[in-house]
Amino acid sequence: DADVTQTPRNRITKTGKRIMLECSQTKGHDRMYWYRQDPGLGLRLIYYSFDVKDINKGEISDGYSVSRQAQAKFSLSLESAIPNQTALYFCATSDWPSYNEQFFGPGTRLTVL
Amino acid sequence: SQQGEEDPQALSIQEGENATMNCSYKTSINNLQWYRQNSGRGLVHLILIRSNEREKHSGRLRVTLDTSKKSSSLLITASRAADTASYFCATAAITGGGNKLTFGTGTQLKVEL
Repeated sequence: DADVTQTPRNRITKTGKRIMLECSQTKGHDRMYWYRQDPGLGLRLIYYSFDVKDINKGEISDGYSVSRQAQAKFSLSLESAIPNQTALYFCATSDWPSYNEQFFGPGTRLTVL
Repeated sequence: SQQGEEDPQALSIQEGENATMNCSYKTSINNLQWYRQNSGRGLVHLILIRSNEREKHSGRLRVTLDTSKKSSSLLITASRAADTASYFCATAAITGGGNKLTFGTGTQLKVEL
């Protein structure tokens, strides 16, 4: 079984809808991250969490929110989806210290029409 | 803006040849990491080099780090078609980075038979 899983893997939605992307991990890591990937722009950090009570904004947090429900679960929400949020979204985890290697989920391809 | 910038953006070589890609960054780092991404999939960690290291090897991979020039290179020797992927460098800043990684924009490598 995969260590970091993401659901759904693909999602098509309409402008204005609320969307939740979920991430679960079995690696026992405290640190979890959400990134988005756009062609030619690499990965950009949306939010990160160092433990259940610690949530931090990343480089591009506007329009997004997160919830760390447990050590193993980290969800990303788009409150009111817009077309320029169409992207590939990745969840990742890492062990302490957080600048160790990160382990990525398979990604969620989100299309906002 | 991206901390790491890879060069070239795209590289096409024949199987058996060596592939070299470069990464430049702007701030002082704790370490630099290289990741591989097969088309549309999650990133996979390849190698980590610390700021006090100059060269590191892992199988057919050789990474160098020049902190005075704020640059790193990834060499893949005797490339195979299976090496076709995008390669990203990621830097862990010493300060002000919140102990998180910043990814570059990637090099797309195509290895042809």
